[in-house]
Amino acid sequence: DAGVIQSPRHEVTEMGQEVTLRCKPISGHNSLFWYRQTMMRGLELLIYFNNNVPIDDSGMPEDRFSAKMPNASFSTLKIQPSEPRDSAVYFCASSKDRRVQPQHFGDGTRLSIL
Amino acid sequence: RKEVEQDPGPFNVPEGATVAFNCTYSNSASQSFFWYRQDCRKEPKLLMSVYSSGNEDGRFTAQLNRASQYISLLIRDSKLSDSATYLCVVNAKEGKLIFGQGTELSVKP
Repeated sequence: DAGVIQSPRHEVTEMGQEVTLRCKPISGHNSLFWYRQTMMRGLELLIYFNNNVPIDDSGMPEDRFSAKMPNASFSTLKIQPSEPRDSAVYFCASSKDRRVQPQHFGDGTRLSIL
Repeated sequence: RKEVEQDPGPFNVPEGATVAFNCTYSNSASQSFFWYRQDCRKEPKLLMSVYSSGNEDGRFTAQLNRASQYISLLIRDSKLSDSATYLCVVNAKEGKLIFGQGTELSVKP
């Protein structure tokens, strides 16, 4: 079975550039989550969707970050403009029932902003 | 107070040792609890769910104490391959999962 698929696996870009991270959740899962992980702050939830609708975006650090889920099989996380402090590993996860089911993570995108 | 607190470790143990990790959570309304494992530079992976009555999966045993808001993970006969960071995870309202900072385990030959 295909797991959560994220792309790209690695991204290195200069500050000020737009960055778009992509995620395909597991088929049949109706909740999708975007996380950011750094050594200093650990794993932080940025935003999550249920049935393609954003439910809680309180973890999005600032207006430079935006996320969309146009359909059940695709989501994007965009950073514009990017800054060096955005460098982190960004994970996407999905679950079948967000209240009781565990989440399954993609391999992550390792983002470096120079 | 953090919503989910764990001893960061590291725990350095020899092969074959028994090691226990503890975790406390602050939201008494939490209903779902999990232990995840994360290897260096990899994604978190579900190790096991934690049930009220306690549950076991091979060498791994998880316990939940709702009154004390405390979760534990016991690893028996530890293997080199158990070396990883173990994340205590608790659900918050509306399905958000709150991850602890993780406890690092290093099993030595």
